[in-house]
Amino acid sequence: KAGVTQTPRYLIKTRGQQVTLSCSPISGHRSVSWYQQTPGQGLQFLFEYFSETQRNKGNFPGRFSGRQFSNSRSEMNVSTLELGDSALYLCASSFGINTGELFFGEGSRLTVL
Amino acid sequence: GQQLNQSPQSMFIQEGEDVSMNCTSSSIFNTWLWYKQDPGEGPVLLIALYKAGELTSNGRLTAQFGITRKDSFLNISASIPSDVGIYFCAGQRSGAGSYQLTFGKGTKLSVIP
Repeated sequence: KAGVTQTPRYLIKTRGQQVTLSCSPISGHRSVSWYQQTPGQGLQFLFEYFSETQRNKGNFPGRFSGRQFSNSRSEMNVSTLELGDSALYLCASSFGINTGELFFGEGSRLTVL
Repeated sequence: GQQLNQSPQSMFIQEGEDVSMNCTSSSIFNTWLWYKQDPGEGPVLLIALYKAGELTSNGRLTAQFGITRKDSFLNISASIPSDVGIYFCAGQRSGAGSYQLTFGKGTKLSVIP
């Protein structure tokens, strides 16, 4: 059974640009969550999607957005990138909603210059 | 946002030694989870705890859900080199809009052969 797949694994952007990250959940999993991981703040919840609807949102500015498609794949977008957006962005999937038992992908490492 | 205090921040131990780490919060959680993250990987779920006082084992790992619901402990017995990594505790509440996980900052474990 394939795990959670995130693309791209690494990317470098400059301030002011935007970025789109993609996540394919484990087959059959309908819930996708996104987390930002930085050395200073640790793992911070961004948002959760289930059945193409955002069910929960963390305390991040509106520059961070996401969506989920009918096949449960998800994308997140960060617009007007800032240096502080440099981080590992982790996607996690689960079969149902409201469970803490998450299956994480390897992450997309974003560097903003 | 809500913070979990995880300690110790890092530890160096000899192979074969037992390890203990803990996580505390100022507020109550309904679920406690422990994840491990290897370099270049996403976190992997080790143990999930759903009831105050619950003691659960997974091989050499044992975790407990504190009676007050404000803390949790993870013990690793007879450590081996592959135990190296960062261990995260995570708490989850229940109720609308509250299901996202709150993570501790992690305990970085190094095992000396």
